[in-house]
Amino acid sequence: GDSVTQMEGPVTLSEEAFLTINCTYTATGYPSLFWYVQYPGEGLQLLLKATKADDKGSNKGFEATYRKETTSFHLEKGSVQVSDSAVYFCALSENSGNTPLVFGKGTRLSVIA
Amino acid sequence: GAVVSQHPSRVICKSGTSVKIECRSLDFQATTMFWYRQFPKQSLMLMATSNEGSKATYEQGVEKDKFLINHASLTLSTLTVTSAHPEDSSFYICSARPLGQRAGYGYTFGSGTRLTVV
Repeated sequence: GDSVTQMEGPVTLSEEAFLTINCTYTATGYPSLFWYVQYPGEGLQLLLKATKADDKGSNKGFEATYRKETTSFHLEKGSVQVSDSAVYFCALSENSGNTPLVFGKGTRLSVIA
Repeated sequence: GAVVSQHPSRVICKSGTSVKIECRSLDFQATTMFWYRQFPKQSLMLMATSNEGSKATYEQGVEKDKFLINHASLTLSTLTVTSAHPEDSSFYICSARPLGQRAGYGYTFGSGTRLTVV
């Protein structure tokens, strides 16, 4: 079945550091790919998405590119802020029917001033 | 944008009682909603798929008699934790997508319910 693997955390960075969270996937079809963010005590918010190969999703300074050849969707941000501290989930969705998202295990990011 | 309201956000109940959690799509209709459970510092575990007007589909290992799901309308799904025990304490989250919207748009999540059973 489909699966998502993302780098284990926690990740601790200083403010203004560069962030990369790796995410790779396996899927039988051509899924859509997502990054969700969860702040403490809250539900999940969609951060960015990409629906086909070579698409780049971006939002709030975060970017991720759908790489079909490497089956990857790594999350990057050039300069993190303390407010970016959260748990980040990579996920995929098959493009047919109402199938649930398949999540990675999540990566906890802590940014210190 | 699509909004999912989940209520209550926090609940504390005594062992042996039942708790109902509501998941409501405020500005769209959804034939399918998903219920997840999240343990501390872990990922989301899919519990069941809630289908409007029909029985929910439960994931392997989830007790359907303990976690009752009802999807009575296109905007409301409820999860009832029956005869709750301390091991049922967890963070429960629902998600939905507007009827007819393509998978590429993703799902909208509720804000979650922190259940504590004492």
